[in-house]
Amino acid sequence: DIQMTQSPSSLSASVGDRVTITCQASQDIDFSLSWYQHKPGKAPKLLIFDASKLEAGVPSRFSGSGSGAHFTLTISSLQPEDVATYFCHHLDHLPYTFGPGTKVDFK
Amino acid sequence: EVQMAESGGTWVQPGRSLRLSCEVPGIKASEYYMDWVRQAPGKGMEWVGRSRDKANGYITDYAASVRGRFIISRDDSQNSIYLHLSNLKTEDTAVYYCATLSDGYWGQGTLVTVS
Repeated sequence: DIQMTQSPSSLSASVGDRVTITCQASQDIDFSLSWYQHKPGKAPKLLIFDASKLEAGVPSRFSGSGSGAHFTLTISSLQPEDVATYFCHHLDHLPYTFGPGTKVDFK
Repeated sequence: EVQMAESGGTWVQPGRSLRLSCEVPGIKASEYYMDWVRQAPGKGMEWVGRSRDKANGYITDYAASVRGRFIISRDDSQNSIYLHLSNLKTEDTAVYYCATLSDGYWGQGTLVTVS
C-alpha cells in the first residue's frame, strides 16, 4: 500500500499569511492526488484534483503543485474561513490512502 | 451541489452486525463508482471499500482490514448504497463516510461505536 505523509501536522498562522502544506507519497503516483478541506461535522470539500487543478467554486487563493511523490498545497492569503484540517489523498490504484491531515488555525 | 446523506450509525456490541445507508439524491448513483471511507477517533481517513458503477457490473473491492466482514450493496430503485458491517470489532469504531472519490463528493458521515 502507498503511504502518504503530510507536514506539518498542525500550524498556526495569521490572516493574510501564505500557508504551505506538503504531502509525500511512498512511491510515484504521477499526478493522481487530491487535496481536501475538512471542518468538524461537515463533509470533506474537494479543493484540488489531479495535483494542481482547482475544483470549480474553490477560491483562487488555493493552489496545488507537484507530481510523482512530492506535492504541495498553498493558501496564498489565509482567511478566517480557512480554519480546518487539510488532507491529501492518492487515487493511483487501490487501496486508496490518505495523508494524516494538517490542522490549520489562527495564532 | 451533490448531496450525500449517510445514516444508520449507532452504538453496537462487538461481534454484532449493522447496516449503513447512503442516499444520493443529487446524482444517479448507478452511474458512479461509490466508496466508503472511515475515520477513527483521532486518526486519518481510511478507505474501506468501493462499488464500481452499473456499467462495470457493480464489482466491489475492499480494504484488507474489512475484507470478509464488510459488504457493499446497492439499490438502484432507492438511488442508495449500503455498507453491511458484520463481526464488528472495537477498532471499527469510526465515522463512516460515503463518497465518490473519483469525483470528490462526500457525505457528512455517520458514527459507529463498537464497545
